[in-house]
Parts: sequence; structure tokens; C-alpha cells
Amino acid sequence: EAGVTQSPTHLIKTRGQQATLRCSPISGHTSVYWYQQALGLGLQFLLWYDEGEERNRGNFPPRFSGRQFPNYSSELNVNALELEDSALYLCASSRSGFYNEQFFGPGTRLTVL
Amino acid sequence: GQQVMQIPQYQHVQEGEDFTTYCNSSTTLSNIQWYKQRPGGHPVFLIQLVKSGEVKKQKRLTFQFGEAKKNSSLHITATQTTDVGTYFCAGPNTGGFKTIFGAGTRLFVKA
Repeated sequence: EAGVTQSPTHLIKTRGQQATLRCSPISGHTSVYWYQQALGLGLQFLLWYDEGEERNRGNFPPRFSGRQFPNYSSELNVNALELEDSALYLCASSRSGFYNEQFFGPGTRLTVL
Repeated sequence: GQQVMQIPQYQHVQEGEDFTTYCNSSTTLSNIQWYKQRPGGHPVFLIQLVKSGEVKKQKRLTFQFGEAKKNSSLHITATQTTDVGTYFCAGPNTGGFKTIFGAGTRLFVKA
């Protein structure tokens, strides 16, 4: 069974640009979560999608947005990039229902110059 | 707001020594999950505890959920170099359907 996949692996952008990160969940999983992990720090919850709808978002500005497609894959968009957005962005998926264990992808390392 | 605190932040042990990390929530948790992240890797689910006072074991790892469901611990017996990594606890926030992760405990094991 394939795990959670994310693309790209690395992304380098400059301040003010936009970044798009992609995630494909495990087959059969309908929930997708996005987290930000700054270097050496813990995971900060960004967004939760389930069945195509945004269920909740963390304490991040509106320039962090995303969507979930009918095939349950997901996109995270970050507009007007700032230097402090440099981090590892992790996507996780689970079966529908918030309390199920989450399976993480390898992450996208975003560097903002 | 609700917080999940983890201590210690770092722990250096000699191979064969025991290790414990503690997780404390400011509010009661409906469940708690533990994840391990190897250096350069991504978090991997270890276990979920749901019941008050629950204790679960996975080989050398013992997980406990406190009676009040506000704290939890992970104990590793006789650490090995393969145990190196950061251990995170995580729990849902109250009514918000958002996962709150502790800051993690980074374990270093010296052979």
C-alpha cells in the first residue's frame, strides 16, 4: 500500500512569491491535514480537510489556504511568502473522523529567500 | 489557549539506559497519540491511548495515560541507537477538532 506522497520535495521561492504544495493521501483516507514544522521545532497545525471541505484551520494568516479535490488529494497555497514561512510542510492523512491515527508524508521543504 | 507541554526538551542517554518523556495538557484530553520522528524523517504514529489510566506496551516502549486524562508518558527500557529521534505527544483540542502537538523530546543515544 502506497503511503502519503508530497510534492515537490524541495521548493525555493523569494519573498512575495506564491508557493503551491501538493499531497496525495493513502488510498481510502478522506481526511488530510497540513502542518508546519519550522527547523528544530514542533508541529503547528495548519489545516484539516475532510470529504472535500475545510473542517478547521490553525492560527495562521489567510495567505495560507488550500483545498481538497474530489479524489481527496490536497493543495496548500501560501501567498505573499515571507522569510519566516521557511519550514518543512507536512501532510498527513487518516480515515474519516478526526480521532484516527494520522499517517504523515515525507514533507516539502520550503525555503524563502 | 489549550497547551500541550512536553518535558524534557532533550535527553542524552548511554545505550542501555532507560528514557522517559512526559506530556501534560492544560485541559482534559479525549485521547492522546504518540509519534516518533527520526532525524531528517517525518512523524510516524506509535500509539493512541483513550481510556483513563490506560497502559500499553510495545516491546521496550511503555505508554501511560493519566487517570485525569491530562498527562501521559512514554518510557523506553534499555535504549538502543535505533531509538534516536524526537518523540511527540498529540491530542485534540477541546471542541475545536484540531490536533495540538507537544514540542517534542529529542532523544540522543550514545553507543
